[in-house]
Amino acid sequence: AQKVTQAQTEISVVEKEDVTLDCVYETRDTTYYLFWYKQPPSGELVFLIRRNSFDEQNEISGRYSWNFQKSTSSFNFTITASQVVDSAVYFCALSDVTGGFKTIFGAGTRLFVKA
Amino acid sequence: EPEVTQTPSHQVTQMGQEVILRCVPISNHLYFYWYRQILGQKVEFLVSFYNNEISEKSEIFDDQFSVERPDGSNFTLKIRSTKLEDSAMYFCASSDGTSVGTQYFGPGTRLLVL
Repeated sequence: AQKVTQAQTEISVVEKEDVTLDCVYETRDTTYYLFWYKQPPSGELVFLIRRNSFDEQNEISGRYSWNFQKSTSSFNFTITASQVVDSAVYFCALSDVTGGFKTIFGAGTRLFVKA
Repeated sequence: EPEVTQTPSHQVTQMGQEVILRCVPISNHLYFYWYRQILGQKVEFLVSFYNNEISEKSEIFDDQFSVERPDGSNFTLKIRSTKLEDSAMYFCASSDGTSVGTQYFGPGTRLLVL
């Protein structure tokens, strides 16, 4: 069965600190996709990144970086030099063949960045 | 950039009333989805729709729910007789099937059942 676990319910940091959001996933498929979404207080889901299972290269986009490790089934997300505007709920998600490519979301991590 | 749109953005209804949530997927997309997010909880899959029929539905998607693509552009979710526990944010998503696994989400409709 497909599953996404975000063990951190809430994280609180002070502005300019680095913060890593953890994500562990479960799937029996060899072809799957992993995602991170940001949900600000306004409620919409903001797409951040998609990774397919065949591409384990880490990615950096500005202050955001992602570490995909198939050996540990993890897809962690790091924000460098956090800012108050980063405060939101962040969801890790999985989509795979067995699941018909529907998106399975983790429970989310609420990030508070204090000035 | 094309995007998924949803109307209304907010809806308040009385328990027992029918509601229809509307979505306009991206125009060349073929796969359509509805998700639900109860306040403070995770986003949950409700139903997927392809080729004018339901491909998959979750256990949440009971007989009170139905989906329809009434014309070439709209995709609707109907809740026949709303319950208090239907209060949630409802997200529509669509996919073209070629960027397999990537769905584009709409901004959501916040439904409040009183």
